[in-house]
Amino acid sequence: GDSVTQMEGPVTLSEEAFLTINCTYTATGYPSLFWYVQYPGEGLQLLLKATKADDKGSNKGFEATYRKETTSFHLEKGSVQVSDSAVYFCALSAPGGANSKLTFGKGITLSVRP
Amino acid sequence: DAGVIQSPRHEVTEMGQEVTLRCKPISGHNSLFWYRQTMMRGLELLIYFNNNVPIDDSGMPEDRFSAKMPNASFSTLKIQPSEPRDSAVYFCASSLRQEETQYFGPGTRLLVL
Repeated sequence: GDSVTQMEGPVTLSEEAFLTINCTYTATGYPSLFWYVQYPGEGLQLLLKATKADDKGSNKGFEATYRKETTSFHLEKGSVQVSDSAVYFCALSAPGGANSKLTFGKGITLSVRP
Repeated sequence: DAGVIQSPRHEVTEMGQEVTLRCKPISGHNSLFWYRQTMMRGLELLIYFNNNVPIDDSGMPEDRFSAKMPNASFSTLKIQPSEPRDSAVYFCASSLRQEETQYFGPGTRLLVL
């Protein structure tokens, strides 16, 4: 079945550091890929997405490129801020069929210190 | 748009009591999802509906859990009887179609004593 694997956490960085959070997936067909973010005490919200190979999703300084050859969708940000402290979830959706839905990774906690 | 609305935001109850969580999806969305989030197990999909019909309830832990969606603007998740291990944050999410971007509510934080 479909699955998403995220790197183990938590991750702690200093402000203005470079961020990479790895995500790889297993799916049939051509899934859409998503990054969701969960700030403390809130629900998940969509950060960015990409729907086909080589697409780059971007939002709030975060970027992720859909790499079909490596089945990856790594999240990057050039300079993190304290306000980026949150839990980040990678997810995929394989459209088509009655059971299509989002499959989430386990999430990784990012803490950014001043 | 008001977004996904969940109530109550916090619930504290005693073991054995019935608990009902409520969700109002975004107007026009055809799919609705119930999730549970705990430190130990992370985010788990419990059940989801498409056009008010339950599609996959394989994530529902046991018979004590039930979910209904009587119309396109309302869903409930019921736990009867509740147990301490049900303590978690329960999220409702909706999407235009089941494979598209999901919009999450703020969650209900449940504590069963």
